[in-house]
Amino acid sequence: GAGVSQTPSNKVTEKGKYVELRCDPISGHTALYWYRQSLGQGPEFLIYFQGTGAADDSGLPNDRFFAVRPEGSVSTLKIQRTERGDSAVYLCASRLAGLTDTQYFGPGTRLTVL
Amino acid sequence: GQNIDQPTEMTATEGAIVQINCTYQTSGFNGLFWYQQHAGEAPTFLSYNVLDGLEEKGRFSSFLSRSKGYSYLLLKELQMKDSASYLCAPRGYNKLIFGAGTRLAVHP
Repeated sequence: GAGVSQTPSNKVTEKGKYVELRCDPISGHTALYWYRQSLGQGPEFLIYFQGTGAADDSGLPNDRFFAVRPEGSVSTLKIQRTERGDSAVYLCASRLAGLTDTQYFGPGTRLTVL
Repeated sequence: GQNIDQPTEMTATEGAIVQINCTYQTSGFNGLFWYQQHAGEAPTFLSYNVLDGLEEKGRFSSFLSRSKGYSYLLLKELQMKDSASYLCAPRGYNKLIFGAGTRLAVHP
């Protein structure tokens, strides 16, 4: 079956603009994660959804970042008033159900804020 | 606090064996994952350990000692395509905690 997909693959925006990044998880996966990865670093946790609700949003850096998953499938990460420091690869991962299940990652969205 | 420690870079020769070590401190522990990440690509799952001991999967093996907060990934019969970053990721309560990764370069 299809893996995790993310759109767009690349996004270039100007400082101060609003962006939305989309994630389509593997069908049937109830858990969805967003991570951010800067060059030379490992992925950094942002937020975790179990179904439609955000079970853990402790990794969101500030209130400019927000994510939704209204129907328990597709998720959108929203960044307001983007800053140059937001430039990174934003990765989405999904997991079937059990805590021991593997997280499968999408290809990521490379965000560049000019 | 949470801390993951891996060597930044390693080099090895094609056909050889390499061991990548990882020490960790996390709040809560529910197993440890190893992922492979080629440059510009998403991390891909390699192995998972939840109990102490060695898990073997083809050319890759992973070891865990929970009491020591220590894991290693062993890659055998290295191939050029194994040149990548290897990410150690213990799982806390809800999420994976990633280290910066170890960049492995395999030379002919």
